Amino acid sequence: KNEVEQSPQNLTAQEGEFITINCSYSVGISALHWLQQHPGGGIVSLFMLSSGKKKHGRLIATINIQEKHSSLHITASHPRDSAVYICAGAYGGATNKLIFGTGTLLAVQP
Amino acid sequence: ETGVTQTPRHLVMGMTNKKSLKCEQHLGHNAMYWYKQSAKKPLELMFVYSLEERVENNSVPSRFSPECPNSSHLFLHLHTLQPEDSALYLCASSQDFDLGTDTQYFGPGTRLTVL
Repeated sequence: KNEVEQSPQNLTAQEGEFITINCSYSVGISALHWLQQHPGGGIVSLFMLSSGKKKHGRLIATINIQEKHSSLHITASHPRDSAVYICAGAYGGATNKLIFGTGTLLAVQP
Repeated sequence: ETGVTQTPRHLVMGMTNKKSLKCEQHLGHNAMYWYKQSAKKPLELMFVYSLEERVENNSVPSRFSPECPNSSHLFLHLHTLQPEDSALYLCASSQDFDLGTDTQYFGPGTRLTVL
């Protein structure tokens, strides 16, 4: 069992819909990353957060440390948002490692 | 464009071939990473270099050999690979080797197929 679990694995939405992707982790982390991977492979870092909420354009990431849970929201979704979204738990200090989820494949249809 | 480039983008090789993957970062970062991404699996960290010293080697078979000649360049030398090594190989860099606080910048990846 992976220490970082994402849901759903696959998601299809209509353009304009509000989208939520969930991430849960089993042990304490120092930060959580949300990454976006477009077809073709390249990965872009969207957010790194350790508490509360961050917003960038139509993307919002939240984290609840007590519940060991994070969500990525996309408002007014667009076909160009179609990608794989990956969360990763970061363990700092002496541990210093990233544990990646398996990703959520999002397809936004026009 | 993340400031991290990788060549080649696609590579097909036989099991007896020797090839190398190249990564270059233009961000002035001190840490560089090699990841393997196989279908339906999470990203797997293979190697980490910090200030040109290898600081992590996650039980990677010896048929993969990394090299970091300077802080801007990272190579992955491949020899006698197996078909199960076919995957997307991603390079990344970060300011320092502190995964708890540093953002990683990824290259576009090399799609490797081993026949």
